[in-house]
Amino acid sequence: EIVMTQSPATLSVSPGERATLSCRASQSVSSNLAWYQQKVGQAPRLLIYGASTRATAIPARFSGSGSGTEFTLTISSLQSEDFAVYFCQQFNNWPLLTFGGGTKVEIK
Amino acid sequence: QVQLVESGGGVVQPGRSLRLSCAASGFTFSSYGMHWVRQAPGKGLEWVALLSYDGSNRYYADSVKGRFTISRGNSKNTLYLQMNSLRAEDTAVYYCAKDGGGDYLAWYFDLWGRGTLVTVSS
Repeated sequence: EIVMTQSPATLSVSPGERATLSCRASQSVSSNLAWYQQKVGQAPRLLIYGASTRATAIPARFSGSGSGTEFTLTISSLQSEDFAVYFCQQFNNWPLLTFGGGTKVEIK
Repeated sequence: QVQLVESGGGVVQPGRSLRLSCAASGFTFSSYGMHWVRQAPGKGLEWVALLSYDGSNRYYADSVKGRFTISRGNSKNTLYLQMNSLRAEDTAVYYCAKDGGGDYLAWYFDLWGRGTLVTVSS
């Protein structure tokens, strides 16, 4: 099983600032990585797939980068609606899909 | 409106069965693979099962293999999860999710429901 490790667990950021979230895989997943946003009581939302491709209707302030074992989700200028929990997921080793433990982005 | 709506959750005793449903709308349900993903209280996400668009391919997590069955009714735009021999560790919010591919499986999820809570307890 590929273990996905996200850091930090909690990120405190002021509105308008940049947020950088990390996701590390225990072995290479190539570019087969997705990022999701989850708000309390809401369905998770796909942000990024293929490590760097924004999903439909996702604002340009969200960007993904990386390949192999190291990945980054960057939110260039945090808006109030961006405070949420973010998960990464590898889909290289299907059907053994695995998720990271999540990073909570909170208001500083 | 493009959405997935889960139902069927509740409190069930260990060893008993439960069937979850997921009603899809706003897209051509019969053209996409569909997944179940779960999240135990205070824990991360765990993929549970996948069914291809035409029902020809099924995959399960080892933790549920032999106990859970994923199925679909394309005429009803509905996905199901039959859960047998339930255990305390199956307690979780169960999400239905649409595969990001089309006639191929992408293995990521581009649409999720809000989930339904299953609690296994005596």
